[in-house]
Amino acid sequence: GAVVSQHPSRVICKSGTSVKIECRSLDFQATTMFWYRQFPKKSLMLMATSNEGSKATYEQGVEKDKFLINHASLTLSTLTVTSAHPEDSSFYICSARDSTGGGGNQPQHFGDGTRLSIL
Amino acid sequence: RKEVEQDPGPFNVPEGATVAFNCTYSNSASQSFFWYRQDCRKEPKLLMSVYSSGNEDGRFTAQLNRASQYISLLIRDSKLSDSATYLCVVNDRYGGATNKLIFGTGTLLAVQP
Repeated sequence: GAVVSQHPSRVICKSGTSVKIECRSLDFQATTMFWYRQFPKKSLMLMATSNEGSKATYEQGVEKDKFLINHASLTLSTLTVTSAHPEDSSFYICSARDSTGGGGNQPQHFGDGTRLSIL
Repeated sequence: RKEVEQDPGPFNVPEGATVAFNCTYSNSASQSFFWYRQDCRKEPKLLMSVYSSGNEDGRFTAQLNRASQYISLLIRDSKLSDSATYLCVVNDRYGGATNKLIFGTGTLLAVQP
C-alpha cells in the first residue's frame, strides 16, 4: 500500500533552534502534501497545503514565516519550524495522496509523525 | 458549529460487544468520507472509506446519510486491539482541485477484557 515516510520521528532541542521535518511519498507521486499539527487530546489541525513547484497555502492563523514549507519534488515536502519556542512543541504529521489519475477523492496516507519538544 | 462533530467518549465496552460511533458534518457539499483510527501517540491510519451505499469490511460497517449529513461506524465482536481513537474525516473541496481533510476530534474506544 501507499507509504509516506516522515523524518525525524522525535526532536528535542533548545528554544531558538530551527527544525526541519521531511515528508516523502515512497511509492507514489504527490503533487500535494498536507501538514498537520496535533496537540495532546486534540484533533489534527491542518496547518498548510504544500504544492509541488509553487507556494504553499497556509490556513488562517498559521504564520508562513514561522513554518516554512518547500515542496521541491513530487515525492518530498519539508516543513521548517523557524526559531522554535516551547509553544511550538507538538506532534507534526504530514500526509499525501496519490496524484495519479487526478488524486480526487482518494484517501490520504499519513507519515509516522514528528514529536517536537522545545526546551 | 464545528465542521465535523463526534462524541469524544470514552466508550468502555466489553470484549465481544457491538459498538457504534456517529459523526455529523456541516458542509453539505462535502466530497468524500473516511474513518481513520489513531492509536495513542501515533499517526492516523485509514480504517475505511465511507460510501453512499454503505460498506462493510470484516467486523466494521460504515454508513453515510447525505440528507442528514451523518456518518456512522459499527464495530461488531469488539477485540481488545480495537481500543483506539476513531476519527471521522470529511474531504471538502475548496475551489479548484485541492481537497482538504477536516477531522473530527475523535471518539475514544476502550475495549475491556
